[in-house]
Amino acid sequence: ETGVTQTPRHLVMGMTNKKSLKCEQHLGHNAMYWYKQSAKKPLELMFVYNFKEQTENNSVPSRFSPECPNSSHLFLHLHTLQPEDSALYLCASSQGGSLADTGELFFGEGSRLTVL
Amino acid sequence: AQSVAQPEDQVNVAEGNPLTVKCTYSVSGNPYLFWYVQYPNRGLQFLLKYITGDNLVKGSYGFEAEFNKSQTSFHLKKPSALVSDSALYFCAVRANTGGFKTIFGAGTRLFVKA
Repeated sequence: ETGVTQTPRHLVMGMTNKKSLKCEQHLGHNAMYWYKQSAKKPLELMFVYNFKEQTENNSVPSRFSPECPNSSHLFLHLHTLQPEDSALYLCASSQGGSLADTGELFFGEGSRLTVL
Repeated sequence: AQSVAQPEDQVNVAEGNPLTVKCTYSVSGNPYLFWYVQYPNRGLQFLLKYITGDNLVKGSYGFEAEFNKSQTSFHLKKPSALVSDSALYFCAVRANTGGFKTIFGAGTRLFVKA
């Protein structure tokens, strides 16, 4: 138990579906992240939020839409995805704030997405 | 721009032997450096980090890593490997100039044979 919970753990969707991934952290952290993990590729940073404000958008296509309603919750809304978007999507959190955050990330167990 | 290179896709070692998993990095300014481990069907778990100070840092499960600024390397080591160490290992870097951009390498799969 890492203190970061992701749901659903597995998701299969068609290219025209709309679905959402959810992440919740119970660590009192202020920064939350979405990463994409594809086979034999580095983890790709997608989005970062600090105190609910987006601080990083790593040129992610608009079919991925993040939402951070508070420091404990992070969503990734999915719409008209492509088969190449199939991957493990990892949520993480860190202390956040300012320079006090030395960057240690706490990860959830991931949501395995398959796009048909 | 930040980047991390893990030159080996896979490392094989016999149980009881020392292991090394290599990592080199590129970042503007001074780095924060990290190692994470991932077991099958799980998220990444933090192992250790270098922020400042002593170049040799010790972490979880008997792992350690040595920061070498001149070679821009941060290799992961363990004196005596266990079969249970078999997993996927990721090196990561963040610039210490603020911001939250942590960049990961592609990962190295470690196999420890009994």
